[in-house]
Amino acid sequence: GAVVSQHPSWVICKSGTSVKIECRSLDFQATTMFWYRQFPKQSLMLMATSNEGSKATYEQGVEKDKFLINHASLTLSTLTVTSAHPEDSSFYICSAIQGQPQHFGDGTRLSIL
Amino acid sequence: GENVEQHPSTLSVQEGDSAVIKCTYSDSASNYFPWYKQELGKRPQLIIDIRSNVGEKKDQRIAVTLNKTAKHFSLHITETQPEDSAVYFCAASPQAGNMLTFGGGTRLMVKP
Repeated sequence: GAVVSQHPSWVICKSGTSVKIECRSLDFQATTMFWYRQFPKQSLMLMATSNEGSKATYEQGVEKDKFLINHASLTLSTLTVTSAHPEDSSFYICSAIQGQPQHFGDGTRLSIL
Repeated sequence: GENVEQHPSTLSVQEGDSAVIKCTYSDSASNYFPWYKQELGKRPQLIIDIRSNVGEKKDQRIAVTLNKTAKHFSLHITETQPEDSAVYFCAASPQAGNMLTFGGGTRLMVKP
């Protein structure tokens, strides 16, 4: 079945650091990928829709200059959290589709000290 | 935009009993409704989904029902087992390949 790989799985870093998270579709080409954020004991909130070869579409309230998304190929999307602060600490999950239900990556737990 | 409400937020049942989780949605254009199971610290996993052209779908102990007129859909788990304990999310989308709007989640606890 469809496999989505997300890396890294866990990041701990100091405030002010920029962190890059990768999302790869391993056995299919994904024209669209989604990035979600999930705070503890809460639901998944869509941050942005990443389309291969074009700019990402951000949801209301998500700062595009802080959460940089790049979808340079049909199998890779990256999310960069720039100048991360403690309030950015969360579980970030990507998903990928290609004419089928969404399949999620394993998620990245980001902890900003 | 779409708004999905999910109830209850927590559900505790005895092993072997049935569990029912209900969701309502607001956008009549939504026609794809998946259910995901998420264990602590792990990815959401699709367990069943339904499209608007059917009213019910079953897969072994799991079933989903959809009432498009009332804009609500439900997840039914029969003969619950301790390994069913997890957080369950419903979601709605205009079609299978589009963005999902998730419900708030239900923490299901199955007591042995």
